[in-house]
Amino acid sequence: LAKTTQPISMDSYEGQEVNITCSHNNIATNDYITWYQQFPSQGPRFIIQGYKTKVTNEVASLFIPADRKSSTLSLPRVSLSDTAVYYCLVPMYNNNDMRFGAGTRLTVKP
Amino acid sequence: EAGVAQSPRYKIIEKRQSVAFWCNPISGHATLYWYQQILGQGPKLLIQFQNNGVVDDSQLPKDRFSAERLKGVDSTLKIQPAKLEDSAVYLCASIQAGGGDTQYFGPGTRLTVL
Repeated sequence: LAKTTQPISMDSYEGQEVNITCSHNNIATNDYITWYQQFPSQGPRFIIQGYKTKVTNEVASLFIPADRKSSTLSLPRVSLSDTAVYYCLVPMYNNNDMRFGAGTRLTVKP
Repeated sequence: EAGVAQSPRYKIIEKRQSVAFWCNPISGHATLYWYQQILGQGPKLLIQFQNNGVVDDSQLPKDRFSAERLKGVDSTLKIQPAKLEDSAVYLCASIQAGGGDTQYFGPGTRLTVL
């Protein structure tokens, strides 16, 4: 069963690039890696999903090495509004059954 | 497109009372999830429905929690009787049938048990 490990918290400053790495040593062959963002008093929101190499959208980039045992969420030029908790998820049994860990609490400072 | 709707947004009850939460997923989304999120923790899956059938309820405390999705659309989650440790935000999420695994979350219901 896939399980994820990510840092509990990170601090950054406005304008910097932030990289959050997640370990998923037991990821299965068909598993996708998905990242969510959660602001206080809101439900989690999908950010990005990938299977291998690199995926980029208007919000972030996701880097996945060849062995897929980890992934790195990259947020370019963060702002104060990027302060949130970021969750890395891989499936538990199938791609419709994913479990949230404790996430990484990112604090962006002015 | 309307998002996942939940009500109420907030609820305060005393221990041993009963409470019910309602969720209306995005139209056409066959899979519905209920999560419990305790302050400072990630969401914990309580139950997953596929249409009106239960796919996974292994983490649902069945002695006090129940959930149903009778017509395969909206769903209710009930706690009876509530305990202090049930204080949390209850999140509902849905995904489209065959649409991959991107979950769309509602705003949640914040429950306080006194």
